[in-house]
Amino acid sequence: EAGVAQSPRYKIIEKRQSVAFWCNPISGHATLYWYQQILGQGPKLLIQFQNNGVVDDSQLPKDRFSAERLKGVDSTLKIQPAKLEDSAVYLCASSLNSQDIQYFGAGTRLSVL
Amino acid sequence: RKEVEQDPGPFNVPEGATVAFNCTYSNSASQSFFWYRQDCRKEPKLLMSVYSSGNEDGRFTAQLNRASQYISLLIRDSKLSDSATYLCVVRNTGFQKLVFGTGTRLLVSP
Repeated sequence: EAGVAQSPRYKIIEKRQSVAFWCNPISGHATLYWYQQILGQGPKLLIQFQNNGVVDDSQLPKDRFSAERLKGVDSTLKIQPAKLEDSAVYLCASSLNSQDIQYFGAGTRLSVL
Repeated sequence: RKEVEQDPGPFNVPEGATVAFNCTYSNSASQSFFWYRQDCRKEPKLLMSVYSSGNEDGRFTAQLNRASQYISLLIRDSKLSDSATYLCVVRNTGFQKLVFGTGTRLLVSP
């Protein structure tokens, strides 16, 4: 069974530029999550989707971050404009439903210079 | 105060040693508890769930004390391959959100 796919694996940008990350969850998984993991910290949930609806985006900095899951499958996370403190690994995870085990993708490592 | 607190380590132990990690959580409404393992530059993976009665999976034993809001992980007969960061995770009611601790780094040496 294919796992959670993310791209790109690495991205280097300058502050104030825009960047987008893509995630393809495990087939059939209704719940999709985006996490931010800053070096030396645990992952922090940014946004949770149930199918194509947002369940929780309370920790998403909405002035610069946006995410969508239009058809209830793939998802994109965008940062516009990026700040130095956005340097982190962005992890996508999916689960059958919100109470099931979450499976993580390999992540996108973002460096903002 | 962080919702999930762990000693960041690192814990340096020789092969064959027994090592224990502790974790405390602040939200008394937390309903599910887990240990995840994260290798360097890799994604987190579920190691085991934690139950009030305690549970064991091979060399790994997890314990939960709801009264003290305390979770532990014991690793017996440490292997080189156990070197990783161990993340304490709680799931809260409501949106079923996972809250991760900062992780405890374990280094097992020959």
